[in-house]
Amino acid sequence: AQSVTQLGSHVSVSEGALVLLRCNYSSSVPPYLFWYVQYPNQGLQLLLKYTTGATLVKGINGFEAEFKKSETSFHLTKPSAHMSDAAEYFCAVILYSSASKIIFGSGTRLSIRP
Amino acid sequence: KAGVTQTPRYLIKTRGQQVTLSCSPISGHRSVSWYQQTPGQGLQFLFEYFSETQRNKGNFPGRFSGRQFSNSRSEMNVSTLELGDSALYLCASSLELGEDTQYFGPGTRLTVL
Repeated sequence: AQSVTQLGSHVSVSEGALVLLRCNYSSSVPPYLFWYVQYPNQGLQLLLKYTTGATLVKGINGFEAEFKKSETSFHLTKPSAHMSDAAEYFCAVILYSSASKIIFGSGTRLSIRP
Repeated sequence: KAGVTQTPRYLIKTRGQQVTLSCSPISGHRSVSWYQQTPGQGLQFLFEYFSETQRNKGNFPGRFSGRQFSNSRSEMNVSTLELGDSALYLCASSLELGEDTQYFGPGTRLTVL
């Protein structure tokens, strides 16, 4: 069965510092992996996704993630945090291309210190 | 192109009542999925509609139902509301059934008193 684990329900970094949000998945076959961001009182916005091909995926707002099969990880990074990055981030996994089978992680709230 | 819209944005109901939430997908999108988001359970898949037919269903009781119209707009209904139904209900649309990328609406915040 698939599952997604996000390490750290809350991460706080200083403005300009590296952002690292961790995501590990459990799947018997290579999954499709996603990162979504949710700002207060809003829905989810797709940041980036990995389906096949290049394992380093670049997304919007300067974020990127690397699929590491050996570590079953898909950590999200951004070299320099901005105040506007404060939000909740969700890692998600699906098998094949069926959005209806999507499994979300529990989310990580990112805070940015001035 | 307009995004996914959901109405109403906020709703307050009492236990035992029923509620209907509405979702208009992005123009041209034919698949609509619904999710429930709560602090305790996180994001959980409710159901997916395509061509006016429910194609997939999550693990929710029969009090939760939905439908899709010929213009792809969708509604979900919750009958006999319980306190635990208080949640943010998110609708997402995609071009076709089986698309891996979904576009989410802002959600409807339902509070059950």
